[in-house]
Amino acid sequence: KNEVEQSPQNLTAQEGEFITINCSYSVGISALHWLQQHPGGGIVSLFMLSSGKKKHGRLIATINIQEKHSSLHITASHPRDSAVYICAVRSGSGGSNYKLTFGKGTLLTVNP
Amino acid sequence: DTAVSQTPKYLVTQMGNDKSIKCEQNLGHDTMYWYKQDSKKFLKIMFSYNNKELIINETVPNRFSPKSPDKAHLNLHINSLELGDSAVYFCASTYVTGGWRSGELFFGEGSRLTVL
Repeated sequence: KNEVEQSPQNLTAQEGEFITINCSYSVGISALHWLQQHPGGGIVSLFMLSSGKKKHGRLIATINIQEKHSSLHITASHPRDSAVYICAVRSGSGGSNYKLTFGKGTLLTVNP
Repeated sequence: DTAVSQTPKYLVTQMGNDKSIKCEQNLGHDTMYWYKQDSKKFLKIMFSYNNKELIINETVPNRFSPKSPDKAHLNLHINSLELGDSAVYFCASTYVTGGWRSGELFFGEGSRLTVL
């Protein structure tokens, strides 16, 4: 079992819908990242969070450390949001000795 | 002005050859990584370097040898390439020493390696 589980694996939505992608993890972490990868493209960091909630434009990320769970929400989804969204958790003894463990990603397709 | 740049973006080569991928970051970060993304799009860490020192080596075969000539560069050399090495390799960097910048990741655009 992967230490980081994402759901759903695939998600298809209509433009304008509210999207939620979930991430659960089983290890102690110091931070959690949400990443975005467009088809054939590079990887962009959307959020890094260790508690509470962060918002950038239409994107909102929340984390519950006690429940070991994070969600990524997209409000008013748009076809350009179509991408793979990857959850990654940061663990380790601190400083430079940390590593990221990745979820398998959620493929989001937003239809016009 | 690209923050993390990798070269080459595409590399097609024969089994048994030796090849290198280069990575440079101009963000002043102190830590750089190599990640491998397989055909199922799953990302896995390979190496981590902090201030030119190897910190993490995730049981990568000895055929893979990273080299960090300075904090801004982390190159990946692969000897005796095998079919299973075909993947996209991502370089990333971050600043872990502390402070408000600590931990945010910046990725290169990836280098797609195809071994025939």
